Amino acid sequence: QVHLVESGGGVVQPGRSLRLSCAASGFTFRSYGMHWIRQAPGKGLEWVAVISYDGNNKYYADSVKGRFTISRDNSKNTLYLQMSSLRAEDTAVYYCAKDDGIAAAGTVYWGQGTLVTVSS
Amino acid sequence: EIVLTQSPATLSLSPGERATLSCRASQSVGTYLAWFQQKPGQAPRLLIYDASNRATGIPARFSGSGSGTDFTLTISSLEPEDLAVYYCQQRGNWPLLTFGGGTKVEIK
Repeated sequence: QVHLVESGGGVVQPGRSLRLSCAASGFTFRSYGMHWIRQAPGKGLEWVAVISYDGNNKYYADSVKGRFTISRDNSKNTLYLQMSSLRAEDTAVYYCAKDDGIAAAGTVYWGQGTLVTVSS
Repeated sequence: EIVLTQSPATLSLSPGERATLSCRASQSVGTYLAWFQQKPGQAPRLLIYDASNRATGIPARFSGSGSGTDFTLTISSLEPEDLAVYYCQQRGNWPLLTFGGGTKVEIK
């Protein structure tokens, strides 16, 4: 079955960088687009970024554009989120999610999330 | 950017009652509207996709309707385990996504 496991979260100072990973299994990773979605403590869900199946197309939320970079390594079945110039407002649980495509059900499968805390 | 507005913010009902949750989009998203359930400490779970299709394993008491800019999630008879926050999500400008602010369902 589909399994997504995020890692790399932790406490980081404002202005520093952090890289998140999402290990995928149970499906043909190289065939699907992938998203990062975050949730600040006690708040709602916020879409962060998406990458196409081949890594050639990437889109970002305005709140992270120019600071975050989404990437993937299809040989390792792994999705990444490189976060730089981190701010307190980036504190959140970060989820990765598989995109089944516009003709299918969308983001059915999510990981359990990894917590990023930006604090001095 | 497509903005989703959910109402009410909180819904407090007794077991067995009918719950009606609303999601309004700032522009038409066709039927590319999904509903998610999130229980405390858990990742969101897909309930409904494409406005009215129940995801695999979702009980029949959950149903969705609407198109264009106005959508509704109905829980026909509330169960205690339905305590959760419910989010709508649009993919009308896929692959970009947007989420609504959420409706918290409380069980009296």
